[in-house]
Amino acid sequence: LAKTTQPISMDSYEGQEVNITCSHNNIATNDYITWYQQFPSQGPRFIIQGYKTKVTNEVASLFIPADRKSSTLSLPRVSLSDTAVYYCLVGVLYSGGGADGLTFGKGTHLIIQP
Amino acid sequence: NAGVTQTPKFQVLKTGQSMTLQCAQDMNHEYMSWYRQDPGMGLRLIHYSVGAGITDQGEVPNGYNVSRSTTEDFPLRLLSAAPSQTSVYFCASSYRADPLYEQYFGPGTRLTVT
Repeated sequence: LAKTTQPISMDSYEGQEVNITCSHNNIATNDYITWYQQFPSQGPRFIIQGYKTKVTNEVASLFIPADRKSSTLSLPRVSLSDTAVYYCLVGVLYSGGGADGLTFGKGTHLIIQP
Repeated sequence: NAGVTQTPKFQVLKTGQSMTLQCAQDMNHEYMSWYRQDPGMGLRLIHYSVGAGITDQGEVPNGYNVSRSTTEDFPLRLLSAAPSQTSVYFCASSYRADPLYEQYFGPGTRLTVT
């Protein structure tokens, strides 16, 4: 079971780039790495997903080193509205039944200040 | 598209009562799941389904039943409510289960058991 470790909280300022790192030393070959964002009283929202190297979309980048034992979510030029909890999810759903690692940890509470 | 809808938004039950939390999606997604989120915690997987007629247990299935008779609906049944089931319940869906892609979450149902 791939367990993830993230910082409990981080602070930054508007306009800065924020990097949140997730450790997953026991990641399995089939596991994907997925990041979600959650605002209070809302369900999580998908940010980005990757398997290896670098993935970029319109809101974030995901950096995954060759050994895949960690990953870094990069948020460019954050704003106050990026204040939220960010979850790193490492897991897989088996075709034959069963799930591994599809539980969200406590996440990282990111606070953006003016 | 309405996305993932959940009803009710709020519910108060007495210990021992039963009820069904409703979840529906209109995106023709094959994968649906139920999570619970306790205060200050991440989300824990209760049950999931990879298609109509197929369900499986997640991390915390005890006290809950599910069924998936159609692609669109995935109700969660509490058989005999207990105070330990006080939580916020989120339903999610994804267009593909293997590998598990982006999950879309509903707005949640806040359940209190007294």
